[in-house]
Amino acid sequence: RKEVEQDPGPFNVPEGATVAFNCTYSNSASQSFFWYRQDCRKEPKLLMSVYSSGNEDGRFTAQLNRASQYISLLIRDSKLSDSATYLCVVGGSGGSYIPTFGRGTSLIVHP
Amino acid sequence: DVKVTQSSRYLVKRTGEKVFLECVQDMDHENMFWYRQDPGLGLRLIYFSYDVKMKEKGDIPEGYSVSREKKERFSLILESASTNQTSMYLCASSRSIQDTDTQYFGPGTRLTVL
Repeated sequence: RKEVEQDPGPFNVPEGATVAFNCTYSNSASQSFFWYRQDCRKEPKLLMSVYSSGNEDGRFTAQLNRASQYISLLIRDSKLSDSATYLCVVGGSGGSYIPTFGRGTSLIVHP
Repeated sequence: DVKVTQSSRYLVKRTGEKVFLECVQDMDHENMFWYRQDPGLGLRLIYFSYDVKMKEKGDIPEGYSVSREKKERFSLILESASTNQTSMYLCASSRSIQDTDTQYFGPGTRLTVL
Protein backbone atom coordinates (compact mmCIF):
# COMPACT_ATOMS: atom_id res chain seq x y z
CA ARG A 1 0.00 0.00 0.00
CA LYS A 2 1.14 3.47 -0.87
CA GLU A 3 1.88 6.38 1.37
CA VAL A 4 -0.38 9.10 2.54
CA GLU A 5 1.41 12.22 3.72
CA GLN A 6 0.29 15.07 5.94
CA ASP A 7 1.97 18.04 7.56
CA PRO A 8 1.97 17.11 11.27
CA GLY A 9 1.65 20.76 12.38
CA PRO A 10 0.64 21.88 14.88
CA PHE A 11 -1.45 24.53 13.24
CA ASN A 12 -2.04 27.13 15.92
CA VAL A 13 -4.92 29.48 15.01
CA PRO A 14 -7.19 31.92 16.83
CA GLU A 15 -10.91 31.36 17.18
CA GLY A 16 -12.76 32.46 14.08
CA ALA A 17 -9.86 31.82 11.73
CA THR A 18 -10.02 29.80 8.56
CA VAL A 19 -7.52 26.98 8.33
CA ALA A 20 -6.76 24.47 5.60
CA PHE A 21 -4.93 21.15 5.60
CA ASN A 22 -3.67 19.22 2.63
CA CYS A 23 -2.91 15.55 2.30
CA THR A 24 -1.07 13.96 -0.60
CA TYR A 25 -1.34 10.35 -1.69
CA SER A 26 0.87 8.38 -4.02
CA ASN A 27 -1.45 5.72 -5.44
CA SER A 28 -3.22 7.24 -8.42
CA ALA A 29 -5.66 4.31 -8.51
CA SER A 30 -7.10 5.14 -5.07
CA GLN A 31 -10.86 5.38 -5.13
CA SER A 32 -12.04 6.62 -1.77
CA PHE A 33 -10.95 9.38 0.54
CA PHE A 34 -11.89 10.42 4.04
CA TRP A 35 -11.06 12.82 6.84
CA TYR A 36 -11.18 11.46 10.37
CA ARG A 37 -10.91 13.46 13.56
CA GLN A 38 -9.12 12.22 16.64
CA ASP A 39 -9.38 13.99 19.97
CA CYS A 40 -6.62 13.61 22.53
CA ARG A 41 -6.63 10.10 24.01
CA LYS A 42 -9.73 9.14 22.03
CA GLU A 43 -10.38 6.95 19.02
CA PRO A 44 -10.54 8.32 15.46
CA LYS A 45 -14.03 9.12 14.18
CA LEU A 46 -15.18 9.83 10.67
CA LEU A 47 -15.46 13.55 10.00
CA MET A 48 -16.43 13.38 6.36
CA SER A 49 -15.95 11.50 3.15
CA VAL A 50 -14.36 13.32 0.24
CA TYR A 51 -16.14 13.17 -3.09
CA SER A 52 -14.80 14.02 -6.51
CA SER A 53 -17.08 17.01 -6.75
CA GLY A 54 -16.08 18.27 -3.32
CA ASN A 55 -18.42 18.38 -0.38
CA GLU A 56 -19.36 20.67 2.44
CA ASP A 57 -20.72 20.01 5.91
CA GLY A 58 -21.38 23.20 7.83
CA ARG A 59 -18.05 24.90 8.46
CA PHE A 60 -16.08 22.04 6.90
CA THR A 61 -15.29 21.68 3.20
CA ALA A 62 -13.38 18.78 1.69
CA GLN A 63 -12.00 18.67 -1.82
CA LEU A 64 -10.23 16.16 -4.00
CA ASN A 65 -7.68 16.97 -6.68
CA ARG A 66 -7.00 13.77 -8.58
CA ALA A 67 -4.59 15.36 -11.05
CA SER A 68 -2.26 16.48 -8.27
CA GLN A 69 -3.22 13.61 -5.98
CA TYR A 70 -4.18 15.51 -2.90
CA ILE A 71 -7.19 16.09 -0.74
CA SER A 72 -7.87 19.12 1.38
CA LEU A 73 -9.92 20.06 4.41
CA LEU A 74 -10.98 23.64 5.02
CA ILE A 75 -12.37 24.72 8.37
CA ARG A 76 -14.07 28.10 8.53
CA ASP A 77 -14.82 30.10 11.67
CA SER A 78 -12.69 27.83 13.86
CA LYS A 79 -14.01 26.94 17.30
CA LEU A 80 -12.07 25.91 20.38
CA SER A 81 -13.75 22.52 20.07
CA ASP A 82 -12.15 22.00 16.65
CA SER A 83 -8.82 21.41 18.40
CA ALA A 84 -7.90 17.84 17.49
CA THR A 85 -5.77 15.78 15.16
CA TYR A 86 -7.16 15.38 11.64
CA LEU A 87 -6.32 12.13 9.88
CA CYS A 88 -6.37 11.80 6.14
CA VAL A 89 -7.42 8.35 4.96
CA VAL A 90 -7.14 6.96 1.47
CA GLY A 91 -9.17 3.91 0.60
CA GLY A 92 -8.04 0.86 -1.25
CA SER A 93 -7.63 0.32 -4.94
CA GLY A 94 -7.11 -2.56 -7.30
CA GLY A 95 -9.11 -4.92 -5.10
CA SER A 96 -7.49 -3.86 -1.85
CA TYR A 97 -10.01 -2.63 0.70
CA ILE A 98 -7.50 -1.69 3.33
CA PRO A 99 -7.43 2.04 3.95
CA THR A 100 -4.16 3.86 4.50
CA PHE A 101 -4.00 6.46 7.24
CA GLY A 102 -1.87 9.55 7.25
CA ARG A 103 -0.07 10.41 10.47
CA GLY A 104 -2.38 13.28 11.16
CA THR A 105 -2.31 17.05 11.36
CA SER A 106 -2.65 18.65 14.77
CA LEU A 107 -4.89 21.72 15.07
CA ILE A 108 -4.92 23.96 18.13
CA VAL A 109 -7.53 26.69 18.24
CA HIS A 110 -6.86 29.30 20.92
CA PRO A 111 -9.06 32.07 22.35
CA ASP B 1 -25.13 3.48 16.15
CA VAL B 2 -22.25 1.12 15.59
CA LYS B 3 -20.52 0.13 18.75
CA VAL B 4 -17.04 -1.30 18.96
CA THR B 5 -15.88 -2.26 22.42
CA GLN B 6 -12.49 -3.30 23.69
CA SER B 7 -11.98 -5.39 26.78
CA SER B 8 -9.71 -3.00 28.66
CA ARG B 9 -8.88 0.69 28.50
CA TYR B 10 -5.60 0.30 30.36
CA LEU B 11 -3.45 -2.77 30.80
CA VAL B 12 -0.08 -3.31 32.45
CA LYS B 13 1.81 -6.51 31.77
CA ARG B 14 5.29 -7.85 32.34
CA THR B 15 7.80 -8.84 29.69
CA GLY B 16 7.22 -12.39 28.52
CA GLU B 17 3.57 -12.56 29.52
CA LYS B 18 0.93 -13.67 27.05
CA VAL B 19 -1.55 -10.87 26.46
CA PHE B 20 -5.06 -11.04 25.02
CA LEU B 21 -6.83 -7.97 23.72
CA GLU B 22 -10.48 -8.48 22.87
CA CYS B 23 -12.64 -6.51 20.49
CA VAL B 24 -16.38 -6.88 19.90
CA GLN B 25 -18.60 -5.12 17.38
CA ASP B 26 -22.37 -5.22 17.39
CA MET B 27 -23.25 -4.31 13.80
CA ASP B 28 -22.61 -7.55 11.94
CA HIS B 29 -19.61 -6.06 10.15
CA GLU B 30 -17.56 -8.28 7.87
CA ASN B 31 -14.19 -6.62 8.38
CA MET B 32 -12.28 -6.16 11.57
CA PHE B 33 -8.87 -4.59 12.10
CA TRP B 34 -6.20 -4.23 14.75
CA TYR B 35 -3.93 -1.18 14.74
CA ARG B 36 -1.34 0.22 17.04
CA GLN B 37 -0.81 3.95 17.36
CA ASP B 38 2.44 5.49 18.50
CA PRO B 39 3.45 9.16 18.68
CA GLY B 40 4.90 10.33 15.39
CA LEU B 41 4.13 7.05 13.64
CA GLY B 42 0.38 7.26 13.27
CA LEU B 43 -1.86 4.25 12.92
CA ARG B 44 -0.16 1.07 11.76
CA LEU B 45 -2.12 -2.00 10.74
CA ILE B 46 -1.19 -5.20 12.56
CA TYR B 47 -3.75 -7.70 11.26
CA PHE B 48 -7.16 -7.67 9.69
CA SER B 49 -9.94 -10.15 9.07
CA TYR B 50 -12.60 -10.10 6.37
CA ASP B 51 -14.52 -13.13 7.57
CA VAL B 52 -14.76 -15.62 10.40
CA LYS B 53 -11.58 -17.67 10.73
CA MET B 54 -9.93 -15.57 8.02
CA LYS B 55 -7.00 -13.31 8.77
CA GLU B 56 -4.37 -11.42 6.87
CA LYS B 57 -1.19 -9.72 7.95
CA GLY B 58 -0.97 -5.99 7.96
CA ASP B 59 2.16 -3.89 7.98
CA ILE B 60 3.59 -4.94 11.35
CA PRO B 61 2.40 -8.47 12.27
CA GLU B 62 5.62 -9.62 13.93
CA GLY B 63 5.11 -10.57 17.57
CA TYR B 64 1.32 -10.70 17.22
CA SER B 65 -1.33 -13.22 16.28
CA VAL B 66 -5.10 -12.93 15.95
CA SER B 67 -8.19 -15.03 16.29
CA ARG B 68 -11.65 -14.61 14.82
CA GLU B 69 -13.86 -17.50 15.84
CA LYS B 70 -17.09 -15.48 15.72
CA LYS B 71 -18.06 -12.69 13.41
CA GLU B 72 -18.45 -10.12 16.14
CA ARG B 73 -15.22 -10.82 17.99
CA PHE B 74 -11.61 -10.26 16.94
CA SER B 75 -8.81 -10.97 19.39
CA LEU B 76 -5.23 -9.77 19.29
CA ILE B 77 -2.66 -11.95 21.03
CA LEU B 78 0.82 -11.00 22.12
CA GLU B 79 2.48 -14.39 22.56
CA SER B 80 5.34 -13.03 24.66
CA ALA B 81 4.98 -9.36 25.44
CA SER B 82 8.01 -7.12 25.02
CA THR B 83 8.62 -3.52 26.05
CA ASN B 84 8.53 -2.34 22.43
CA GLN B 85 4.91 -3.45 22.29
CA THR B 86 3.95 -0.73 24.74
CA SER B 87 1.44 1.24 22.72
CA MET B 88 -2.17 2.25 22.16
CA TYR B 89 -4.05 -0.58 20.45
CA LEU B 90 -7.13 0.29 18.43
CA CYS B 91 -9.66 -2.12 17.03
CA ALA B 92 -11.90 -1.13 14.12
CA SER B 93 -14.62 -2.67 12.02
CA SER B 94 -16.21 -1.90 8.67
CA ARG B 95 -19.30 -3.21 7.00
CA SER B 96 -17.94 -4.96 3.93
CA ILE B 97 -15.04 -5.23 1.53
CA GLN B 98 -16.12 -2.09 -0.29
CA ASP B 99 -13.33 0.40 0.09
CA THR B 100 -15.76 3.21 0.52
CA ASP B 101 -16.99 1.85 3.81
CA THR B 102 -16.34 3.78 6.98
CA GLN B 103 -14.21 2.29 9.71
CA TYR B 104 -15.57 2.45 13.25
CA PHE B 105 -13.06 2.37 16.06
CA GLY B 106 -13.18 1.11 19.60
CA PRO B 107 -11.98 3.34 22.45
CA GLY B 108 -8.51 1.78 22.47
CA THR B 109 -6.43 -0.17 24.95
CA ARG B 110 -3.34 1.52 26.31
CA LEU B 111 -0.92 -1.33 26.97
CA THR B 112 2.21 -0.89 29.04
CA VAL B 113 4.75 -3.70 29.10
CA LEU B 114 7.24 -3.47 31.96
